[in-house]
Amino acid sequence: KAGVTQTPRYLIKTRGQQVTLSCSPISGHRSVSWYQQTPGQGLQFLFEYFSETQRNKGNFPGRFSGRQFSNSRSEMNVSTLELGDSALYLCASSEGTGLQPQHFGDGTRLSIL
Amino acid sequence: AQSVSQHNHHVILSEAASLELGCNYSYGGTVNLFWYVQYPGQHLQLLLKYFSGDPLVKGIKGFEAEFIKSKFSFNLRKPSVQWSDTAEYFCAVIEYGQNFVFGPGTRLSVLP
Repeated sequence: KAGVTQTPRYLIKTRGQQVTLSCSPISGHRSVSWYQQTPGQGLQFLFEYFSETQRNKGNFPGRFSGRQFSNSRSEMNVSTLELGDSALYLCASSEGTGLQPQHFGDGTRLSIL
Repeated sequence: AQSVSQHNHHVILSEAASLELGCNYSYGGTVNLFWYVQYPGQHLQLLLKYFSGDPLVKGIKGFEAEFIKSKFSFNLRKPSVQWSDTAEYFCAVIEYGQNFVFGPGTRLSVLP
């Protein structure tokens, strides 16, 4: 099976802009979670989607939003970008039933100038 | 809310040394526990997992972890590390209905 695919791999934006990141989960996986990874902060949970519904949400401002499509692909949007949003954004997918392990993509590295 | 702590921020070992990385989670209940590894330039990969049963679980590449419920701990061990084990290691916990919670990570540097 193909792994979790995230696009794009790298993005450079300026403050105030918005950005959309995409994630294609492993085939058959219905749960997609998003994380922000920064040095010293580790992985901070953003949100989880399961069957097109947001199932859990982390402690991030409303500028961070997401959605999931019927084919389980997910997008994450960040509006009004700030310098502090520079990070590696990781997507992880799982079967979504029970407490199954997550499988991670390579991430999208977002740099804000 | 659940939280995960990892005892060491950065561990430096020589090849063939034994490794133990500490992990504690904040409160009990039915949890599943995981260790993930992130090699330089690569994505996070699952090393091992604990769901139930034998508290000593074996993972890939010679790693093992022991779940001690009374201590809320899930420490990672390897008897003899190799240079190729240089990576960042993350402990994670999940409870039913909740999201994954990851520890801050421990960076392991193995000197050849």
